Amino acid sequence: GAVVSQHPSRVICKSGTSVKIECRSLDFQATTMFWYRQFPKQSLMLMATSNEGSKATYEQGVEKDKFLINHASLTLSTLTVTSAHPEDSSFYICSARTGFEMNTEAFFGQGTRLTVV
Amino acid sequence: GQQLNQSPQSMFIQEGEDVSMNCTSSSIFNTWLWYKQEPGEGPVLLIALYKAGELTSNGRLTAQFGITRKDSFLNISASIPSDVGIYFCAGQSGQGSRLTFGEGTQLTVNP
Repeated sequence: GAVVSQHPSRVICKSGTSVKIECRSLDFQATTMFWYRQFPKQSLMLMATSNEGSKATYEQGVEKDKFLINHASLTLSTLTVTSAHPEDSSFYICSARTGFEMNTEAFFGQGTRLTVV
Repeated sequence: GQQLNQSPQSMFIQEGEDVSMNCTSSSIFNTWLWYKQEPGEGPVLLIALYKAGELTSNGRLTAQFGITRKDSFLNISASIPSDVGIYFCAGQSGQGSRLTFGEGTQLTVNP
């Protein structure tokens, strides 16, 4: 399958600082990328959907000013957690899809473990 | 909104046993996907199903897209220790739409 690379895999930051997480599609162009958040022993919760060149669509309850998403190219999307607080500590996962057609699959990155201290 | 009910929540089995898990939905999906997630990693796609009634295999894994389009099951035959992980079903209702995930099934295989 296609490869999606997420960086960093782990990050620890101080409360009040901002953290940027990158999601890259290595061998395909991703028209759509998704950002998820996952708490321990829970399922993936969709935070936002980003299409290249346009503004991200955020899910209800997700603060767009706190979780800034940029999808500037067909191979890169970034999620910036601004003014991070301990409650933002979580596992963040991106996925990328090649197109809008029904049978285009979404491939996931390896995830980023964020710990805010 | 759409919800997927995945069961069982967890399974503890002996190596060599067969495993079955399923997902049901109150609404129709046009695509069903099954993923496996290991600790500290992102989900990895196991099987994708695109047509109602479709039965697809991937090695020891077999999944079916329910005829009503509201359910799907995943079977793992002759389980081995490396099958340990969390298995998620996911449904997609329309072209280019988001995935809705089940709650996951935690599988433990005892050697």
